[in-house]
Amino acid sequence: DIVLTQSPGTLSLSPGDRATLSCRASQSVSSSYLAWYQQKPGQAPRLLIYGASTRATGIPDRFSGSGSAAALTLTISRLEPEDFAVYYCQQYGTSPLTFGGGTKVEIK
Amino acid sequence: EVQLVQSGAEVKKPGESLKISCKGSGYNFTNYWIGWVRQMPGKGLEWMGIIHPGDSDARYSPSFQGQVTFSADKSISTVYLQWSTLKPSDTAIYYCARHRDTSSVDAFEVWGQGTMVTVSS
Repeated sequence: DIVLTQSPGTLSLSPGDRATLSCRASQSVSSSYLAWYQQKPGQAPRLLIYGASTRATGIPDRFSGSGSAAALTLTISRLEPEDFAVYYCQQYGTSPLTFGGGTKVEIK
Repeated sequence: EVQLVQSGAEVKKPGESLKISCKGSGYNFTNYWIGWVRQMPGKGLEWMGIIHPGDSDARYSPSFQGQVTFSADKSISTVYLQWSTLKPSDTAIYYCARHRDTSSVDAFEVWGQGTMVTVSS
């Protein structure tokens, strides 16, 4: 299975800060098949980014994705109060599909 | 509005069987793959597999193959996740989620609200 390693595990930031989240795959995966999700407590995940860099419908432009499976990045340019959540990367190019372990973005 | 609505929380005993549901609306149900994702208490997301409601083609993660069964009833726009013999380790929230596009290879864009399954004696 392809293992996705996310870092850091926790990011402590303030509203207005820039957040940079990383994800690295253990094997090659086409960047066409990489995604980011946001999950808030008690809620289902929400798709933010697919194809490594394309924002999903309705996602604000403060969220951006870049990179490849070797070094995938999710950037939140200016954190809003509603952005504090857990973020997961996912590869969907090779079965079984896998998720990273998550990065929690918490209020500092 | 495109949405997936899941059945309610379940509390079961080890060894019992269970079938939970996920009903789609607001789109052509038979065109989009739907997957199941497990989230154990306090843990991350695990992909269980996908099913195509149009022809019930199901593809399982090796970790879940033989442990669960996916099925679909397109006449009522509903997919199901079923266990024949529950274990305490099946305690988790189970999400259904629809692919973003009609491809079998895609991200999950539409999510159900989750079904909490608790297995305890």
